[in-house]
Amino acid sequence: EVQLVESGGGLVQPGGSLRLSCAASGFTFSGYWMSWVRQAPGKGLEWLANIKRDGGERYYVDSVKGRFTISRDNAKNSLYLEMNSLRAEDTAVYYCARYSEYALAYWGQGTLVTVSS
Amino acid sequence: QSALTQPRSVSGSPGQSVAISCTGTSSDVGGYNYVSWYQQYPGTAPKLFISDVTKRPSGVPDRFSGSKSGNTASLTISGLQAEDEADYYCCSYAGNNYVFGTGTKVTVL
Repeated sequence: EVQLVESGGGLVQPGGSLRLSCAASGFTFSGYWMSWVRQAPGKGLEWLANIKRDGGERYYVDSVKGRFTISRDNAKNSLYLEMNSLRAEDTAVYYCARYSEYALAYWGQGTLVTVSS
Repeated sequence: QSALTQPRSVSGSPGQSVAISCTGTSSDVGGYNYVSWYQQYPGTAPKLFISDVTKRPSGVPDRFSGSKSGNTASLTISGLQAEDEADYYCCSYAGNNYVFGTGTKVTVL
């Protein structure tokens, strides 16, 4: 059974940093592109970034480019999102998700990030 | 990277059909046959319902179908049921990036 479990969310002050993790199990992690998607309270889904199977390619939405970094450790079956210079508008539930071709076939339960002083 | 446009809400009675549109541009929806649709209940993670415009993953009822014409994709729910009341999001590949739709709340009257 495919499982994705996010962790690392919490309360952080504006301008601060946070590192989210996503532990994957039930599939060959190194065989799939992975992605982060977020959802602000009461709002829609926003695609943030994705990373190739070997980490060799990474793509970002403009709103987080230069502030967020997606990475992975295939030996640890883990996906990460390093978030810097956080703003109030980054407050959201952050989901990690696994691709199946060009669709996000599996999602974690999400981790809440709150940016507030 | 503007969000794809979806109607804010659609509604129908049990047994009726409803369609949700998802309008983008030639750089996303119109340029690739990689539109997916997700169902989301409040407080839960999204679930993939349609991939590659028309493909239904295993376990998704066949009353859900997808289509595309030009820059607009559509999700049709035939024979609406109470459990279909949820939020639905489209998503399109846009050349290395992806973009989600604004989301549509489906209400079963």
